[in-house]
Amino acid sequence: GQQLNQSPQSMFIQEGEDVSMNCTSSSIFNTWLWYKQDPGEGPVLLIALYKAGELTSNGRLTAQFGITRKDSFLNISASIPSDVGIYFCAGQPREDYKLSFGAGTTVTVRA
Amino acid sequence: GAVVSQHPSRVICKSGTSVKIECRSLDFQATTMFWYRQFPKQSLMLMATSNEGSKATYEQGVEKDKFLINHASLTLSTLTVTSAHPEDSSFYICSARVQRSYNEQFFGPGTRLTVL
Repeated sequence: GQQLNQSPQSMFIQEGEDVSMNCTSSSIFNTWLWYKQDPGEGPVLLIALYKAGELTSNGRLTAQFGITRKDSFLNISASIPSDVGIYFCAGQPREDYKLSFGAGTTVTVRA
Repeated sequence: GAVVSQHPSRVICKSGTSVKIECRSLDFQATTMFWYRQFPKQSLMLMATSNEGSKATYEQGVEKDKFLINHASLTLSTLTVTSAHPEDSSFYICSARVQRSYNEQFFGPGTRLTVL
């Protein structure tokens, strides 16, 4: 699949702070997905986006599907210790159901 | 809903042996499952797409004779690593696409394979 550019690669944040990460692609995607992976576990789907410009929330998480269909961002508000983990973006082109993954953003929360 | 399980969660084997990993969709039918490989501190790398009742589609560079995939039912896909070697040690993760939605994939918990 296509390689997505995900940034930042890692971040150390204070508990209570907001977190923001994004993904960009040179190709247009029909779907953007955001996953969280804990050590030794499989990725867990956080948010799925299907429409350009769509803004979707899941608790303290908010994600947006970029209007150009080539980017997406994920925000975590008021971070807590259990937000620690690796967050992956994934994109899916219209005609191909294989997911392309970003390299991941490792989030570490300082209490 | 949309729960995917994998078995075993961990396996240690001797070099030259074969190891089978099972991926099951527990509460839905999955016509398509995917097998990924993940090295430490890296992203997921798609190995193959497993379609129920037909041959798997392998990604470029993945040896189909080494990584045998069987998708015999709508809830089970298996990955067999044949004649495993230490370089095959990795975290193998499967995912299943929910039949009602072509866009969402749900992942299993992964299998840690260590080849001695």
